[in-house]
Amino acid sequence: AQTVTQSQPEMSVQEAETVTLSCTYDTSESNYYLFWYKQPPSRQMILVIRQEAYKQQNATENRFSVNFQKAAKSFSLKISDSQLGDTAMYFCAFLDSGGGADGLTFGKGTHLIIQP
Amino acid sequence: NAGVTQTPKFQVLKTGQSMTLQCAQDMNHNSMYWYRQDPGMGLRLIYYSASEGTTDKGEVPNGYNVSRLNKREFSLRLESAAPSQTSVYFCASSQGPYNEQFFGPGTRLTVL
Repeated sequence: AQTVTQSQPEMSVQEAETVTLSCTYDTSESNYYLFWYKQPPSRQMILVIRQEAYKQQNATENRFSVNFQKAAKSFSLKISDSQLGDTAMYFCAFLDSGGGADGLTFGKGTHLIIQP
Repeated sequence: NAGVTQTPKFQVLKTGQSMTLQCAQDMNHNSMYWYRQDPGMGLRLIYYSASEGTTDKGEVPNGYNVSRLNKREFSLRLESAAPSQTSVYFCASSQGPYNEQFFGPGTRLTVL
């Protein structure tokens, strides 16, 4: 079974700063997908960014980018020019591409607080 | 498009009562999922349905049953609720098993 570890339960930065959230995972698979989801106080789960393991290029979405290190099994999320609306829980998630709709395996989350 | 909808948004049950959580999606997705989220935890998969007419157990299926009523709807039933089932329940859907999952707003369930 896959495991996803987020080692930072909570982080706090000032508005406009850059922040990096860490995620490591454990798998024996060679092909898989990784995701970062945002959960604001509204409780809605929102996809931030997605990375396919077979792609060497790191995914980017506007102010959000990832540093995917396949050999190290590391998948960190960088948020540039942080905004107050980025305050939320952030979950790293793993999806096995070995077959079947197995659902996502989530980490325990990092509570990110953007201070004004 | 409403996306993924869930009813009810909140529910309080007594131990031993039964209830069904409803989920519907209007995106013509094939795959649907039920997760639970407990304090300090990420979401954990209860059941999933790869396509209409099929369902499979996830990580934490004990105490739950599901029905994939049609392509749009996927319900989760608690036959005899227990305090350990107090949680927030999320339904999700995706076009296929390796596509982005879209989540509903969640149901907060309390079992006394």
